[in-house]
Amino acid sequence: DAKTTQPNSMESNEEEPVHLPCNHSTISGTDYIHWYRQLPSQGPEYVIHGLTSNVNNRMASLAIAEDRKSSTLILHRATLRDAAVYYCILRDVDSNYQLIWGAGTKLIIKP
Amino acid sequence: DGGITQSPKYLFRKEGQNVTLSCEQNLNHDAMYWYRQDPGQGLRLIYYSQIVNDFQKGDIAEGYSVSREKKESFPLTVTSAQKNPTAFYLCASKRGHRSSGNTIYFGEGSWLTVV
Repeated sequence: DAKTTQPNSMESNEEEPVHLPCNHSTISGTDYIHWYRQLPSQGPEYVIHGLTSNVNNRMASLAIAEDRKSSTLILHRATLRDAAVYYCILRDVDSNYQLIWGAGTKLIIKP
Repeated sequence: DGGITQSPKYLFRKEGQNVTLSCEQNLNHDAMYWYRQDPGQGLRLIYYSQIVNDFQKGDIAEGYSVSREKKESFPLTVTSAQKNPTAFYLCASKRGHRSSGNTIYFGEGSWLTVV
């Protein structure tokens, strides 16, 4: 089964970079790695996704290991509004292509 | 603006009642999903639909029912058979269920409480 492993929580100081890791050793060759984040009492929102190459957008950067068994979401300059639960998710081909959601990483930003 | 609308935001259910949560999307997406989230937990899939007039059970379908009569609508009924329905319910949609590269979009969620 496709599975991701993330730390339960991380802390960072405001205006400093944050690196959120995700292990996905069983990823298949054609699966994108997606990152979403969820603020309290809201639906998750898309952050970024990638396949092999590193990706950048206005919210974050995604660094993907060469063997694709891990990835890191990078918030270049965290603000208090970035405090959320961050999910790294994959598609599970064995479960009829369902997306697999773990418990995510709770990111705490200290002022 | 395109998006997903869930209603109501808050709902109270008495023991033995069925309640229906609404989900509407105007993104022209084929795939739609219902997830349940308990406090401090990740998302668990209840039901999903890959296309109109078709739906499949997810991991925790017992006590729930859905319909997909229109592309834009995917209502969820929480039946009296669901013994512990108090949770945060999230509806989502995606252009194609099987495609790995498509982004999934979520509604703002509905809080259901049993009183």
